[in-house]
Amino acid sequence: AQKVTQAQTEISVVEKEDVTLDCVYETRDTTYYLFWYKQPPSGELVFLIRRNSFDEQNEISGRYSWNFQKSTSSFNFTITASQVVDSAVYFCALSEVNSGGSNYKLTFGKGTLLTVNP
Amino acid sequence: DVKVTQSSRYLVKRTGEKVFLECVQDMDHENMFWYRQDPGLGLRLIYFSYDVKMKEKGDIPEGYSVSREKKERFSLILESASTNQTSMYLCASRPAGPSSYEQYFGPGTRLTVT
Repeated sequence: AQKVTQAQTEISVVEKEDVTLDCVYETRDTTYYLFWYKQPPSGELVFLIRRNSFDEQNEISGRYSWNFQKSTSSFNFTITASQVVDSAVYFCALSEVNSGGSNYKLTFGKGTLLTVNP
Repeated sequence: DVKVTQSSRYLVKRTGEKVFLECVQDMDHENMFWYRQDPGLGLRLIYFSYDVKMKEKGDIPEGYSVSREKKERFSLILESASTNQTSMYLCASRPAGPSSYEQYFGPGTRLTVT
């Protein structure tokens, strides 16, 4: 069975600090997709990024960057120069290509609450 | 713009009541999902529907049922609400196709059962 672990339940930083959110996953499949979602206080989960298991290139989007390492089954998310607006719950999720036909299901981690203080 | 709407942001119901949570998407997506979110437990899948009138149980279906009569609408039903169903309920949708497609989420309904 697939599993996603976000070991950090809560992180608190001061504005402008860099912060890394950890995500470790378990899967038996060789082909899979990893996602990060942001849930601001308004409640709606917002899609941030998707990565497939064959693409280990790191990605940068503005202040956000993602480090995918298949060897350690990790897909970590770094926010550079954090801002108060980054305060949210962040979820990592895993989708397997083949799981008994239910290839549209996501397995979510329990989330990391990030608080950025001014 | 992609849109998933849920009928209520906040709902208070009494134990034993029948509760309907409605979700509507305007993206013509085939797949729709209901999750509940609890502190320390993350998102857990209750039910999903891969097409009209088609449904499958998720990880925690007990105490819930669903209805998908039209493509755009997916309803979650609590037949007899109990206090342990107090939670945040999130609806999501996605197109049919590869598992690379992300899910689009609604704003959530915070249900309190007293």
